[in-house]
Amino acid sequence: NAGVTQTPKFRVLKTGQSMTLLCAQDMNHEYMYWYRQDPGMGLRLIHYSVGEGTTAKGEVPDGYNVSRLKKQNFLLGLESAAPSQTSVYFCASQGQGRETQYFGPGTRLLVL
Amino acid sequence: GQQVMQIPQYQHVQEGEDFTTYCNSSTTLSNIQWYKQRPGGHPVFLIQLVKSGEVKKQKRLTFQFGEAKKNSSLHITATQTTDVGTYFCAGRRVNYGQNFVFGPGTRLSVLP
Repeated sequence: NAGVTQTPKFRVLKTGQSMTLLCAQDMNHEYMYWYRQDPGMGLRLIHYSVGEGTTAKGEVPDGYNVSRLKKQNFLLGLESAAPSQTSVYFCASQGQGRETQYFGPGTRLLVL
Repeated sequence: GQQVMQIPQYQHVQEGEDFTTYCNSSTTLSNIQWYKQRPGGHPVFLIQLVKSGEVKKQKRLTFQFGEAKKNSSLHITATQTTDVGTYFCAGRRVNYGQNFVFGPGTRLSVLP
């Protein structure tokens, strides 16, 4: 099992550019999450999904969109990147009725 | 504002000393989780507490959930260099769905 994987590991964008971050899990988990981590702020929930075809807003959703077309994948999109979106992005998955969230290795994004 | 707080923000200890981090929520929590993140790594689940006043131990780590279910603590006895990292608490708020709100974390440094 690879667990939770994230692509890419690192990316530099210019303001206004768009990109998609991919999260994949091979544990057949129902729940998937996208967090961003900034110094001194801990992890903040951007969007989440409780199942294939469903998504919902988290704590800081503005400027991001997500899709969950397949159970194993959760995509995070930035339509027009801003310097405030410079951060480390973590994806996590969780099985229904289970307590553990499994995190991916993270994607470091720099927006110039 | 931050709904889950942690103190201290940083802690430097000599190897062998004890360490405690405290987590406080402005609202009642249905349960609380603790995660550890090594430098450059991703958060790894440690434990979940559910019951009021619950105490759980994992080797040198002791976790407590407050009677009012608004605070929690993690205590490490006789720290080792392998304990280095940032410790996050994450609370699930009552009547706020199944998502967790993360605290900002406590970064622990252990001097050999």
